[in-house]
Amino acid sequence: AQSVTQLDSHVSVSEGTPVLLRCNYSSSYSPSLFWYVQHPNKGLQLLLKYTSAATLVKGINGFEAEFKKSETSFHLTKPSAHMSDAAEYFCVVSGRRALTFGSGTRLQVQP
Amino acid sequence: DVKVTQSSRYLVKRTGEKVFLECVQDMDHENMFWYRQDPGLGLRLIYFSYDVKMKEKGDIPEGYSVSREKKERFSLILESASTNQTSMYLCASSLGQTSTDTQYFGPGTRLTVL
Repeated sequence: AQSVTQLDSHVSVSEGTPVLLRCNYSSSYSPSLFWYVQHPNKGLQLLLKYTSAATLVKGINGFEAEFKKSETSFHLTKPSAHMSDAAEYFCVVSGRRALTFGSGTRLQVQP
Repeated sequence: DVKVTQSSRYLVKRTGEKVFLECVQDMDHENMFWYRQDPGLGLRLIYFSYDVKMKEKGDIPEGYSVSREKKERFSLILESASTNQTSMYLCASSLGQTSTDTQYFGPGTRLTVL
């Protein structure tokens, strides 16, 4: 069985400052890991995906995430937040046939 | 571009009613999924289907059933709606039969059961 824990339910940053959204996972085998983003009143969109290739994964809109097996982490980062980054972010781990979603982190970006 | 559409954005039903939520994808994807999204709980998998007429239970199938008669269409059925089924329902599809494939989501149906 697999599980995922997003360590912060809310994160608030100022525009132009770095973003860090934390995610830890557990899995009985080598998983694939994803970050999805959900903007208000919009559907979920894939931000990036790790599938056992390079451990540093680059996604859309300047986001990236690093897979650290020893720490069972897959934290999402961005060097400089933009107002348009305000959204809810979900860390996701693959199972045998389906995905398991974290509870989400709501990112607020202050002007 | 993959397009996943859901029949309604908002739906209000009464307790005990039978409710149908429809999902259609236009990219010939093998897999289709139904989730519910609740604040603080993320998305939880209700049912998924990896082929026509095939279905598997997800993490929270109680009170729900599904139907997949055609490859492009996946229906979620609430046999007798209850207030604890008030939620946002999201449909998704993916190309292949592995969980590493990207899932594409519809806009969601916000269901209120009174």
